[in-house]
Amino acid sequence: GAVVSQHPSRVICKSGTSVKIECRSLDFQATTMFWYRQFPKQSLMLMATSNEGSKATYEQGVEKDKFLINHASLTLSTLTVTSAHPEDSSFYICSASSSGSTDTQYFGPGTRLTVL
Amino acid sequence: QKEVEQNSGPLSVPEGAIASLNCTYSDRGSQSFFWYRQYSGKSPELIMFIYSNGDKEDGRFTAQLNKASQYVSLLIRDSQPSDSATYLCAVGMNTGFQKLVFGTGTRLLVSP
Repeated sequence: GAVVSQHPSRVICKSGTSVKIECRSLDFQATTMFWYRQFPKQSLMLMATSNEGSKATYEQGVEKDKFLINHASLTLSTLTVTSAHPEDSSFYICSASSSGSTDTQYFGPGTRLTVL
Repeated sequence: QKEVEQNSGPLSVPEGAIASLNCTYSDRGSQSFFWYRQYSGKSPELIMFIYSNGDKEDGRFTAQLNKASQYVSLLIRDSQPSDSATYLCAVGMNTGFQKLVFGTGTRLLVSP
């Protein structure tokens, strides 16, 4: 149980294009989903928290207009990196938790984004 | 002061030994504590969580929590080379939004 998928697993794009990453909870309803970014040899950095049907809460320093988050259903959240630049290249990981599991977060496999 | 602190390591142990990973946290009101394992290039996977003071055992893993000392640890018995990974300690924030604060992780190396 508690399986979270992410798609795509890897994406390479040109500078200036937008990239959408999907995060799905496969066997439970995710009331809350989280988006993290991780640079090489660094720890996870929380970007934003999203609750189904409401606007995402962004962490300080994260541009909400650049990283668009949609949590349209209890099993799907999307992160769109708009006008991507090489400095946005990173490992993006989502996690999900359900109201029945307090704050246990289950992570997706991650998406490696490379912006040329 | 960082909210969740871990020694970055690497912690090197021989195969079959007990690996002891430690974590301290600053928010005395924290109620939930998690250990995740992250292999290089992969996302974190949950090992176990603990909410109450004392020990909690799951197979070769034992989590220990001491809220008075604001200290949580993970013991790995009979360490295997496949246990070589970075271990992340995470602490639940008392905000009602289910956020976790992660430590920077301890890299464990188990030599055959």
